[in-house]
Amino acid sequence: NAGVTQTPKFRILKIGQSMTLQCTQDMNHNYMYWYRQDPGMGLKLIYYSVGAGITDKGEVPNGYNVSRSTTEDFPLRLELAAPSQTSVYFCASSYSISGILVRVTQYFGPGTRLLVL
Amino acid sequence: QKEVEQDPGPLSVPEGAIVSLNCTYSNSAFQYFMWYRQYSRKGPELLMYTYSSGNKEDGRFTAQVDKSSKYISLFIRDSQPSDSATYLCAMSGGGADGLTFGKGTHLIIQP
Repeated sequence: NAGVTQTPKFRILKIGQSMTLQCTQDMNHNYMYWYRQDPGMGLKLIYYSVGAGITDKGEVPNGYNVSRSTTEDFPLRLELAAPSQTSVYFCASSYSISGILVRVTQYFGPGTRLLVL
Repeated sequence: QKEVEQDPGPLSVPEGAIVSLNCTYSNSAFQYFMWYRQYSRKGPELLMYTYSSGNKEDGRFTAQVDKSSKYISLFIRDSQPSDSATYLCAMSGGGADGLTFGKGTHLIIQP
């Protein structure tokens, strides 16, 4: 299994541009998450999904949108990029078949570094 | 008051030393406690997880949770240069809404 994969690895955007960060997992996990990590800070939850067709906001959702049309994919959309969105973005997944403890053990992708100028 | 407090370091120790990493938290609803290791320019990697209070050991790593004090620890025995990384504590009440992370402690093991 490749686990959680993210593309692109690095991107430079101009203010006002749009882009989609891709995330795919091949572990058949039903839970997927998007976090951002700013320098010297912990990870902050942007959006999460408990299954295909179901998404919900996390702690810092403003300026982002998500969709979940399949179990495997969970893209993150930036519509009007702003310098405050310069960060490293991590996608993660987990599953709950075996109960709560399994659900909270999340597996992370390698991240996408985004610079907005 | 922030939900999870973690000293960012850096913490520098000689090879072979015992390392102690800690987090405090304020939300009494947290029941599940995780430690992640993050190498530079990589994604976080799950090291250990525990439920409620108590100890858990895995090789050179021991995780401790004291819910009465709202304090968790990760101990690394016989530390190696390859243990040099940022260690993030994370917590959850068990809901589907993701984890709450500390800022991470940057650990340096000197050869």
